[in-house]
Amino acid sequence: GAVVSQHPSRVICKSGTSVKIECRSLDFQATTMFWYRQFPKQSLMLMATSNEGSKATYEQGVEKDKFLINHASLTLSTLTVTSAHPEDSSFYICSAKTGAPYEQYFGPGTRLTVT
Amino acid sequence: GNSVTQMEGPVTLSEEAFLTINCTYTATGYPSLFWYVQYPGEGLQLLLKATKADDKGSNKGFEATYRKETTSFHLEKGSVQVSDSAVYFCALSTGNQFYFGTGTSLTVIP
Repeated sequence: GAVVSQHPSRVICKSGTSVKIECRSLDFQATTMFWYRQFPKQSLMLMATSNEGSKATYEQGVEKDKFLINHASLTLSTLTVTSAHPEDSSFYICSAKTGAPYEQYFGPGTRLTVT
Repeated sequence: GNSVTQMEGPVTLSEEAFLTINCTYTATGYPSLFWYVQYPGEGLQLLLKATKADDKGSNKGFEATYRKETTSFHLEKGSVQVSDSAVYFCALSTGNQFYFGTGTSLTVIP
């Protein structure tokens, strides 16, 4: 149980285009989903926290208009990187939690490369 | 505030060697502590956890004990295998949010 999927696993896009990444909780309802960014050989950096049906809460320094997060249902959250640039290339990981504290389940990650 | 300090790597060991990766934390309240493992190109997988002081988490031969007096949660394994090569992250959770260490890369050579 507690499986989180991400789609796509890898994506290559051209500079200036937008890319959407989906995060799904497959066998549970996620009250909260988180989006992280991981640079090569570094730890995870929390970008934003989203609760179903409400606006996401972004961490300091994360551009809201560039990284659009939608949490339309209890099993789906999407991250859209708008007008992507090469510096947005990174590994993006989502996680989801139920109402129980301390438990987060991580997706397998999406490798974004902007050329 | 809440933070996790993790032993820097990379760590290279021979197969069957003993592994220790140090992790200390700073937290308000009573956090839960975790170790996650990340294999190349993949997301994070929960390795083990401990939810209160003196608890020992264990899985796949790995162990870590929640030491409140030293604010530590060191990861140990008595005999590592080549398949243990990965990046290991120590983390704490105060309920809703996770705080990660910087990760320690482990390479086990035959």
